[in-house]
This record gives sequence, structure tokens and C-alpha cells, in this order.
Amino acid sequence: ETGVTQTPRHLVMGMTNKKSLKCEQHLGHNAMYWYKQSAKKPLELMFVYSLEERVENNSVPSRFSPECPNSSHLFLHLHTLQPEDSALYLCASRRGTSGPSKTGELFFGEGSRLTVL
Amino acid sequence: GDSVTQMEGPVTLSEEAFLTINCTYTATGYPSLFWYVQYPGEGLQLLLKATKADDKGSNKGFEATYRKETTSFHLEKGSVQVSDSAVYFCALMGNQFYFGTGTSLTVIP
Repeated sequence: ETGVTQTPRHLVMGMTNKKSLKCEQHLGHNAMYWYKQSAKKPLELMFVYSLEERVENNSVPSRFSPECPNSSHLFLHLHTLQPEDSALYLCASRRGTSGPSKTGELFFGEGSRLTVL
Repeated sequence: GDSVTQMEGPVTLSEEAFLTINCTYTATGYPSLFWYVQYPGEGLQLLLKATKADDKGSNKGFEATYRKETTSFHLEKGSVQVSDSAVYFCALMGNQFYFGTGTSLTVIP
């Protein structure tokens, strides 16, 4: 039990499909993140949602669309993906992004392994 | 800008060997430093952290000391076990998190 739950753990989709990844955190944190982990590449920050800000990595293609309806849930909507989007998508949360909580560590979910055919 | 550089892997050690994984950083200000571990098929887990210079983080026999003079945060363990086989990530938290590329460790019996 990591406190951050991601579903589904594995997803296979065609390039024309639309699917969503879901993340839920049970830690009372107020900042949530999406990272992409590809083989032999550094972790890539995709999106950040917090009370103070929403941050988007400008290099992330528009075929990835985040949604954060509240501080406990984060979605990543996927449409018309490409095979190079196959990767492990990691959700993470933190207690805060400013003030005394600024040094809080990230808590990660176990990831959603996405394969695009 | 801020960045983290960690030693390339993979690293293969025999059980009970001494482990060092080097990590150096570049940052403005005074970042917090972390080591995360990723076991096969799982997400990243926090292994240890240090929030200011000369702090030593430790957990499960692993240690790392925040060295401001050498801008380093090397991970060490005196006697590794097969169960330590994983990928280890050095990270810093300045205005955002920055991760190293990860070092794969395999411990053989």
C-alpha cells in the first residue's frame, strides 16, 4: 500500500483509441504529478497540479490531456497516441510546493505500463 | 539550471560487497537531496533524504551525506544483498524535482 494508487497497471491500445489513466492519493497531499519513464531515458515531468499552480511541460504533445478534478484525483486522457508513447506512466503526490512543506518528498504510485500498437 | 548527474550503470556486485553509487548536483540555493529506489515492476520509493549540508540520510543500511563543498550525495552500503537489486535514482528538489538517469544494480549470490 503506497498511498498512491494507479489504474490500470497495464494498458494496451491502438493508435486510434481513447483511454484514460487514473491516479488517486490517500495521503492528504495537495500536489499531484504525472511523469513518463521510458527505457534508457531520464524521468520526464509531464504535468503538475497543486493549489498554487498548474505546470505543463511544453514538450508534451497535445494528445496527452491531464485532468485534476480535486486534490485526491488525477487523470491522464490519451488519444491518437503513437508507438513512441509506449512507456511507464508514473503518478506522484507531495504535501505542498511552498512554505514549510516545500521540502516534502514525492510519493509515487506503482505506475501504468502503456503499450501503443 | 538545476541538474543531477549520477554514475552510469549497470553495476553488478557479489553479495556482501561494498556499494557506492556516485551522485553530484548543480543547483542555485540550498536544495533537498534524495535517493529513490525502483524495484522491478514497481514505482519509485523514497530510500533516504537530506535537507541541508552535512546531513546524513540513512535507511535499510544505505547512507548518503549531503556534501555542499563537493556538491555530492553519494549512496553507500557496506554489504549488499540480492534483494537490493533495483534501479537507484538520485534527485534534488529546488524549485521543482530533478532526477538522475538511474543506476541499475544487480547483486549476485
